[in-house]
Amino acid sequence: SQWGEENLQALSIQEGEDVTMNCSYKTYTTVVHWYRQDSGRGPALIILIRSNEREKRSGRLRATLDTSSQSSSLSITAAQCEDTAVYFCATDPSGSWQLIFGSGTQLTVMP
Amino acid sequence: EAGVTQSPRYAVLQEGQAVSFWCDPISGHDTLYWYQQPRDQGPQLLVYFRDEAVIDNSQLPSDRFSAVRPKGTNSTLKIQSAKQGDTATYLCASRGDRGGQDTQYFGPGTRLLVL
Repeated sequence: SQWGEENLQALSIQEGEDVTMNCSYKTYTTVVHWYRQDSGRGPALIILIRSNEREKRSGRLRATLDTSSQSSSLSITAAQCEDTAVYFCATDPSGSWQLIFGSGTQLTVMP
Repeated sequence: EAGVTQSPRYAVLQEGQAVSFWCDPISGHDTLYWYQQPRDQGPQLLVYFRDEAVIDNSQLPSDRFSAVRPKGTNSTLKIQSAKQGDTATYLCASRGDRGGQDTQYFGPGTRLLVL
């Protein structure tokens, strides 16, 4: 899982496998953002889940949020090589998009 | 639709030198953010603007860092007397509505190496 001052974690899987990345956060938030960052590019929002949603899906992505345990997860179904990227969770305690990012997970999907 | 653009893409300095980063947000976005991303870590917010006003600059590391957005469009982040610890990627982001959803868009970043 990712948070705080920890350095980037690494995860390597085979194409076609499912993968889940976890995020535990410390500050109160009503929304968790998940971003992906490709090498040499800025982060891009891929899915956003609010506190009134326990689960949200977008294509092969599925995000969950458990506010009681202050944790969120991002799952990718049938991962493809193009899913290789760094994935970050981020919280927004102020509600003004002053995002607090986790340390990130480097996902590598091998053919 | 053009995205957030930043320049330069790379900068290499000696300690003590000054450097400026420039950001052109997506047209019509009134909110602009600067983040610092050390290697192998997540982005950390430095400062953000609404139009030309600084809303929060409490996370700027020191008085060596300054940011302006004089006309509420483009923005410049400046580091005076850079230190090796400033080595990082500096990301600019702007925020606006897209298809009914408020979203923050990041530029490609400027990679800074301080020797």
